[in-house]
Amino acid sequence: EAGVTQSPTHLIKTRGQQATLRCSPISGHTSVYWYQQALGLGLQFLLWYDEGEERNRGNFPPRFSGRQFPNYSSELNVNALELEDSALYLCASSFQTTGGGGYFGPGTRLTVT
Amino acid sequence: GENVEQHPSTLSVQEGDSAVIKCTYSDSASNYFPWYKQELGKRPQLIIDIRSNVGEKKDQRIAVTLNKTAKHFSLHITETQPEDSAVYFCAAYSGTYKYIFGTGTRLKVLA
Repeated sequence: EAGVTQSPTHLIKTRGQQATLRCSPISGHTSVYWYQQALGLGLQFLLWYDEGEERNRGNFPPRFSGRQFPNYSSELNVNALELEDSALYLCASSFQTTGGGGYFGPGTRLTVT
Repeated sequence: GENVEQHPSTLSVQEGDSAVIKCTYSDSASNYFPWYKQELGKRPQLIIDIRSNVGEKKDQRIAVTLNKTAKHFSLHITETQPEDSAVYFCAAYSGTYKYIFGTGTRLKVLA
């Protein structure tokens, strides 16, 4: 079974630009979660999508947004990038009804200069 | 809001000893509790999980226990080896909300 995939692996942007990160869940998983992991810190919940809808979001400003497509893949958009947005962005997928799975992708390392 | 507290934040043990990491959750609706191991520069990997209808689960040297009444769950690693050194995260899942992660425990196994 193919795992969760994310692209790109690395992304370098300048302050004020926009970044788009992509995630493809494990086949059969309908839920996609996005997390931010700053260097040396824990996982901060960003967004949860299921069946194409945003189900919940963490304590992040509105410039962090995303969507989920009919094939359950997801996109995270970060507008007006700030230096402190530099982090590893992890996507995880699971079965919504049972929570089972919770498998992570390899992450996208976003660097804002 | 919902949260998961994880202790200790760092843990050093001698090779061969046991390690225990504890988590406490606040949302009584949580029904699934996975544990993740994250090695430096790598993604978190699911190592063991437990559902709310089970009190204990074991997989070789790793075990997880759950006390629903107290809202506690713990990870136990026996006969620790240097390759067990990593950051471990607990999480609680509620079908209504999302996965909520603990803050992580950096485990160092000293050879």
